[in-house]
Amino acid sequence: GENVEQHPSTLSVQEGDSAVIKCTYSDSASNYFPWYKQELGKRPQLIIDIRSNVGEKKDQRIAVTLNKTAKHFSLHITETQPEDSAVYFCAARAASGGSYIPTFGRGTSLIVHP
Amino acid sequence: EAGVTQFPSHSVIEKGQTVTLRCDPISGHDNLYWYRRVMGKEIKFLLHFVKESKQDESGMPNNRFLAERTGGTYSTLKVQPAELEDSGVYFCASSQFATRTDTQYFGPGTRLTVL
Repeated sequence: GENVEQHPSTLSVQEGDSAVIKCTYSDSASNYFPWYKQELGKRPQLIIDIRSNVGEKKDQRIAVTLNKTAKHFSLHITETQPEDSAVYFCAARAASGGSYIPTFGRGTSLIVHP
Repeated sequence: EAGVTQFPSHSVIEKGQTVTLRCDPISGHDNLYWYRRVMGKEIKFLLHFVKESKQDESGMPNNRFLAERTGGTYSTLKVQPAELEDSGVYFCASSQFATRTDTQYFGPGTRLTVL
């Protein structure tokens, strides 16, 4: 089955700095990679995703890159703000018995200091 | 539009007791998923319903866990008898379709503590 590794587990930055979270996956059949943000006490919410036929996708201050050959993908947040503080989960998704079940990483706790 | 809701938000029980978690998906979403996150670890898939049918239950840890979705609306996840290792946050998610890129909307989770 799929295995997703996510690093770092904790990331502390100053407001205005950039933050990068990296994930690797093992199953070459995975072809969809969503990222979720979970603020303290709230539900995980999809913030950006990327499909395997695309190398990079941007949405304002966040971007995701994908290297299919190396089987890794990354989340980049520029000009970080305190409200970016949250746990971020990457996931890889492939077909499994008729379902498309995501395999998640362990999460990265991002702390943005004002 | 109301999001996915879960009840209760927290549950503290003793080892050997029974607990039932409930999930109400977004109205009209045929697909309902249960996940669990043990402290500091990944969010792990438990099972997937399409309407009232179990499409994939490969993630269910053992037969102490029973999930139901009678009528294809809300779902319950019962743990009986609960063990210490069952502690964690149980998330429910729903989606309209079950395609490769369909967005799964998560509920706020139920934090289960087994003492």
